[in-house]
Amino acid sequence: AQSVAQPEDQVNVAEGNPLTVKCTYSVSGNPYLFWYVQYPNRGLQFLLKYITGDNLVKGSYGFEAEFNKSQTSFHLKKPSALVSDSALYFCAVRDYTGRRALTFGSGTRLQVQP
Amino acid sequence: GAGVSQTPSNKVTEKGKYVELRCDPISGHTALYWYRQSLGQGPEFLIYFQGTGAADDSGLPNDRFFAVRPEGSVSTLKIQRTERGDSAVYLCASSLTSGVNNEQFFGPGTRLTVL
Repeated sequence: AQSVAQPEDQVNVAEGNPLTVKCTYSVSGNPYLFWYVQYPNRGLQFLLKYITGDNLVKGSYGFEAEFNKSQTSFHLKKPSALVSDSALYFCAVRDYTGRRALTFGSGTRLQVQP
Repeated sequence: GAGVSQTPSNKVTEKGKYVELRCDPISGHTALYWYRQSLGQGPEFLIYFQGTGAADDSGLPNDRFFAVRPEGSVSTLKIQRTERGDSAVYLCASSLTSGVNNEQFFGPGTRLTVL
């Protein structure tokens, strides 16, 4: 069975500093990996995905994520955090067998302080 | 363009009642998914439609839950004999095709409260 772990319930960072939100996964075979962001009272918004190719994936709003196969990780990063980045972030995985369901982590709340 | 829409945004019902939750996917999207998100948790998969048929309903918790998509567009999630444990936000998502590398686009959700 596939699973996703987001080890930090909350990440605090000062505006202008780099941020990292951690994600590790477990799947059979090659993974498809996704990051979503959830703002209060709004649905999940797609940020970026890793399917194959370059390990560094660039996405929306200046976010990027690095796929590391040996460490089974897919950490979300941004060079310079904005207060408006404060939200709930979810990592998700889908395995290579073709099952369409996404398995989500429990989420990490990012708080960017001015 | 219009995103995924869900109605109602909030639903309060009493234990034992029947409820229906509606999802309008993005126009032209053939795949539709239902997830359930409990407080403090990530979304959990319920059911996936490709066209009109349920291609994977392995996430439905029991036979009180049922979903339909009769014309391959709008979908309705139906819950019979609701229980307090059914209280959650029910999320609908759609994707252009059922390809495994396609991202899913989510609606704002329906918050169900069972008293």
